[in-house]
Parts: sequence; C-alpha cells; structure tokens
Amino acid sequence: EVQLVESGGGLAQPGRSLRLSCTASAFTLGDYGISWFRRAPGKGLEWVSFIRSRPYGGTTEYAASVKGRFIISRDDSKGTVYLQMNSLNSGDTAMYYCGRLSSANRDDAFDVWGQGTMVTVSS
Amino acid sequence: QSLLTQPPSVSGALGQRVTFSCTGSGSNIGAHYDVHWYQQLPGKAPKLLIFANTNRPSGVPDRFSASRSGTSASLAVSGLQAEDEADYFCQSYDSRVSGWVFGGGTKLTVL
Repeated sequence: EVQLVESGGGLAQPGRSLRLSCTASAFTLGDYGISWFRRAPGKGLEWVSFIRSRPYGGTTEYAASVKGRFIISRDDSKGTVYLQMNSLNSGDTAMYYCGRLSSANRDDAFDVWGQGTMVTVSS
Repeated sequence: QSLLTQPPSVSGALGQRVTFSCTGSGSNIGAHYDVHWYQQLPGKAPKLLIFANTNRPSGVPDRFSASRSGTSASLAVSGLQAEDEADYFCQSYDSRVSGWVFGGGTKLTVL
C-alpha cells in the first residue's frame, strides 16, 4: 500500500528543537515533491514547507510563519523527508502531516498523506 | 486568516444534499490555479476527495462533486450518510504568498 509515515513528534520546551521524519513505502520517494502541513487544535490545515524532487532541483519553500526557523531536507536513499524545527514556540503546537504532491506541477493535489505526528510546545 | 474562505459549519439530514463554498481571490483561484478538496474524518489524516476542480480519485463515491467559477469553488455532497460527518477543506496555490493555501475548513454535521 502506498503510504507515508511520520515520526519524531513529542513534547518540546519553547526555544528548543525537534526533527520530524516522513518515510515513504510502496513508492519511490525520490520521484516526488513532499510537503509538510500542520493542524493546530481547533484550527484548520496550514501548509508549512515543501521540497521538490531532485530532478526538479530539490529546492525548498517555506510558509512565512516558519521561514528562518524550520528546515526541510530529504534523503532519497532512505526514502525519507525531514523537518528540522528550531526555536519552537507555542504557536507551533499542532498535528504535523506530510503529503505527496501528485506531480511536479505545483498546481496539483497532494494525493497521499501520512497519519500525522503530534508536536506540543510547552514549558 | 485563511486566503481561502469557507463557512465554518454546514449541516444536513441523512439523504439530503449539501454544498460547501470556497471563496478565493485573484492570486489563487482567480489566477486559474486548480482547486482541490480534502475530507478529514475525526482523528484521521486528510484524504484527497476532489482534484483539479472537478475530478474524483478512484474510490471516491460519485455522491461527491465539485465545480469552480471565477474566484470561487464549491463542493456538493448528495445522499448524505452518517460517515460523511467530517471537516472539508479546499486548497489551491497562491502566487502572492508563493505557497499552498487552504480554506479554514467546513465542519459537516449529519442530522
């Protein structure tokens, strides 16, 4: 079954860091761009970050709310995309999901989603 | 504040038809970027429901349909079933923020 599995969430103190992982199974992660999204309690979905596939430069994009604090990267040999989250604050508390962009076109849909990993930022 | 606007809630009785609206602007839906819809059941991951404005992925019942016009889009669910109770999100790309944007989501309650 084609799927993405997130891990690495947990409790972090304000100002600390966490690294999330998003691992693919039953498809070649290297062929796809991958995004991270989040949904804070009582709020809607928010796009966080995106990394293109290597054939398209492997370049990255960030939402304004996380730019300069979060870093997305990929290791296609491990079938995994990472989200390094630094300088965490309470506003980062959310369920984090990764999703697969169905083609190289930014206009396309995210057709495969992971089950999510919870990040709680609290002292 | 979401760049795509959705009503916070919609309700309908079993078997009825409901619609969800999604209003954007000239930098997203109005710029001809495609609109996609996702269903998120309680405690579950989002699931792609409609892609490229009107298309259903394999396995999505034809009770779900969607359309777009100008700077808006809409999703319709006919023959409401109890298992349709979920949050529904529209999504597009926005050239002003150079990123992907979602509506705030609409919670569907099946009466």
